[in-house]
Amino acid sequence: AQTVTQSQPEMSVQEAETVTLSCTYDTSESDYYLFWYKQPPSRQMILVIRQEAYKQQNATENRFSVNFQKAAKSFSLKISDSQLGDAAMYFCAYRGRDDKIIFGKGTRLHILP
Amino acid sequence: DADVTQTPRNRITKTGKRIMLECSQTKGHDRMYWYRQDPGLGLRLIYYSFDVKDINKGEISDGYSVSRQAQAKFSLSLESAIPNQTALYFCATSDRLEQETQYFGPGTRLLVL
Repeated sequence: AQTVTQSQPEMSVQEAETVTLSCTYDTSESDYYLFWYKQPPSRQMILVIRQEAYKQQNATENRFSVNFQKAAKSFSLKISDSQLGDAAMYFCAYRGRDDKIIFGKGTRLHILP
Repeated sequence: DADVTQTPRNRITKTGKRIMLECSQTKGHDRMYWYRQDPGLGLRLIYYSFDVKDINKGEISDGYSVSRQAQAKFSLSLESAIPNQTALYFCATSDRLEQETQYFGPGTRLLVL
């Protein structure tokens, strides 16, 4: 069975600095999707970025980018120029052939002014 | 208007009561999901449905049942609520044509006394 591991329960970063959130996963599949979701205090789940495993190029969305290492089964999220509004819980997620999404336990990100 | 809505947004009930959480979507997606979120555990899949006639159990379906009344509606029932079902419940939708991204409702916070 697939698993998703986020090893950092909490992280802090100074405003305007860069922070990287880690995620590793375990799978025997070769074709899958990976996601990062953000959950602010409003509790809404918001898609931050997604990556298709067959694409070698790392996905980027404005200040958010990923470092996708397929062989290492690693999918980290980099947030550049951190802003106060980035403070939230971040979830890494995996979707495989069975169409179910598996979430990690989350990393709570604090932004220090 | 929100694409995925959940009612109620908050609910307090007593042990042994039957309760239904409702989810509606206007995105036209064929797939719908129910998750629960507990602190420190991330999101876990309860049930999912790929169309009106297709219902599947997820990771933690015991104590829950679902009904897919129409493509746009997917309800979650707790037949006899118990305190450890106190959690935040999310409905989500997805469409294969949108790279498997799931779109979440605002969540229902349920407290079972």
